Amino acid sequence: SQKIEQNSEALNIQEGKTATLTCNYTNYSPAYLQWYRQDPGRGPVFLLLIRENEKEKRKERLKVTFDTTLKQSLFHITASQPADSATYLCALGGGSYIPTFGRGTSLIVHP
Amino acid sequence: EPEVTQTPSHQVTQMGQEVILRCVPISNHLYFYWYRQILGQKVEFLVSFYNNEISEKSEIFDDQFSVERPDGSNFTLKIRSTKLEDSAMYFCASGGQASNYGYTFGSGTRLTVV
Repeated sequence: SQKIEQNSEALNIQEGKTATLTCNYTNYSPAYLQWYRQDPGRGPVFLLLIRENEKEKRKERLKVTFDTTLKQSLFHITASQPADSATYLCALGGGSYIPTFGRGTSLIVHP
Repeated sequence: EPEVTQTPSHQVTQMGQEVILRCVPISNHLYFYWYRQILGQKVEFLVSFYNNEISEKSEIFDDQFSVERPDGSNFTLKIRSTKLEDSAMYFCASGGQASNYGYTFGSGTRLTVV
């Protein structure tokens, strides 16, 4: 069955460092992958979308890569700030696939 | 910036009662979605709606659930006979074609079934 895996353990980093979050998937050939931020008790907020034919996407301090051979996306936040602390979700979709979210990884940026 | 608005923010209901969750999507969006998130778990897809009809639905979206777009602005999710396990955050989202755009989510309705 289709599976999306994100690290269940929280990622703790120091302010100013680069945070790297991972989204792996199996039994899936998504046409696109999205990354969202979710704060406690709030709805997800869309950050970036990357398509299967794109290797990398950037937006300000954010960078996403998509490797369809490894079936993996990496999400980077450079020069991280305490305000970046949140849960980050990846979502895959395309074709006949119902858009599906991973469980998310909690990022904690320490001042 | 345009927002997706959901009401109520919190609903407490007795088991077996019907609830209607309401959403006002962004006006020029074409696709509408309902998701739910049980506390501590992942965001789960329920149903998508396009061109005034259901375009996809998940296994969770059984006969107890229904969606409507009664007018040009509102988008509702009805649960006919609530169960304890329906307790969750319910999120409405809207967007353009998902392969090109991310979804805009509302702040959610926390449904508590007692």
